[in-house]
Parts: sequence; structure tokens; C-alpha cells
Amino acid sequence: NAGVTQTPKFRVLKTGQSMTLLCAQDMNHEYMYWYRQDPGMGLRLIHYSVGEGTTAKGEVPDGYNVSRLKKQNFLLGLESAAPSQTSVYFCASSYEMSSYNEQFFGPGTRLTVL
Amino acid sequence: AQKITQTQPGMFVQEKEAVTLDCTYDTSDQSYGLFWYKQPSSGEMIFLIYQGSYDEQNATEGRYSLNFQKARKSANLVISASQLGDSAMYFCAMREPMDSSYKLIFGSGTRLLVRP
Repeated sequence: NAGVTQTPKFRVLKTGQSMTLLCAQDMNHEYMYWYRQDPGMGLRLIHYSVGEGTTAKGEVPDGYNVSRLKKQNFLLGLESAAPSQTSVYFCASSYEMSSYNEQFFGPGTRLTVL
Repeated sequence: AQKITQTQPGMFVQEKEAVTLDCTYDTSDQSYGLFWYKQPSSGEMIFLIYQGSYDEQNATEGRYSLNFQKARKSANLVISASQLGDSAMYFCAMREPMDSSYKLIFGSGTRLLVRP
């Protein structure tokens, strides 16, 4: 049982390049999330999904797109990377819509945009 | 307005002593959940403890306890008998069920350093 996994762990991009971050969970969770973590700001929600085939915008969605074609996978795309997108990206998942269900986090992806 | 406020950017504690990390929150919901996560230098987010707004007892998990004062809207984390491995960033977070995303709203974190 791997939990939540993210690939890649590290990536360096040049401004304008594109990339996709992959998140996978093997816990059969319905809800999945992408957060970014910047110094001194905690984690902020980029996009989320409440089930296969659904996605919705979070707090800071600009410059990102997501897809949830399979229940276990949640992809985060950067079409044209910008230096402001240098951050650590965390994927998370949770079982059901309940205030007391914890979110399980992946190990994070450290992205640098030059 | 900040939904989650952690006013201590950094703290020191002597090994084996107890330490309290502060967290205040702001919500108009009656039902909500409060979480604490630990982020060691390796970067992963580790769930520590949960407190529901209707829970009458303060949550405890091993050496971690949550000092929940609903009227003051505070949910402070208490770590007893600190260990060197407790050195990490600690994040307080809240989930509001009225928010359909069920996202977590995080504070800016407190960096704890345990001195030997």
C-alpha cells in the first residue's frame, strides 16, 4: 500500500516550458487535491477533484490545469511555466466529504522555473 | 482576513520539556475540523492530530494533545517530553464542511527546534 505518490520529485524548467505532475493514490479515495507551498505561506489549494472526471478551481488556479481521467490519478499541468510557479507541489487525497477525515499527502515535487 | 493564524514563526524548546504551538482560527461555521501536520526537513506532511468542533474532549495522540478553546477560537498543539526528532515545521489547518471542496486551509506554520 503505497498511499499517495508523486512523480517527479524534482524538476527544473525554463520559462515557457510545459510539464505534467502526476499524483497517484491506491486508497480508493474520492477527493484529490493539488496544493503549492511557498515560503512563509503554508499550503494553498490550486485545484481539486471530488471524483473521477470532475475538477474544480481552488484558491490559486491561474497558470495550471488538471485532469482526473481515472479515480486513482490526478494530473497537474503547467502549459507555460513562469518563475512565479517555482514552489513545492503537494498532492493529497481523502476518503469522503467529512470534516474529520484527514488528508493524506504525497511526498511533494520541488519545481524550479528559471 | 486570515482563517488560520500561527503567530510563532519559530520556537525553541529544551529536550524533554513540553512546548505549546499556538493556532487561532476564524470561521462562521458551527461544524468544522482542526488538524495539525508536521513537516520535517525531508518535506513530507505528516498528520498528527484532529479535533472536531463538536468534540467535548480535547484530542490526544501519544505525546501530542490539542488544547481546544472553542470560545476563543484557538486550537493549540501541546507536545510533551520533546524529542530531537520533533524538530520540524508544524502547520495548523482547518476544514469547513460548508466549503464543498473540503479543502484544508493552512496557517503559515511554526518552526520548532528542539535543543539537546
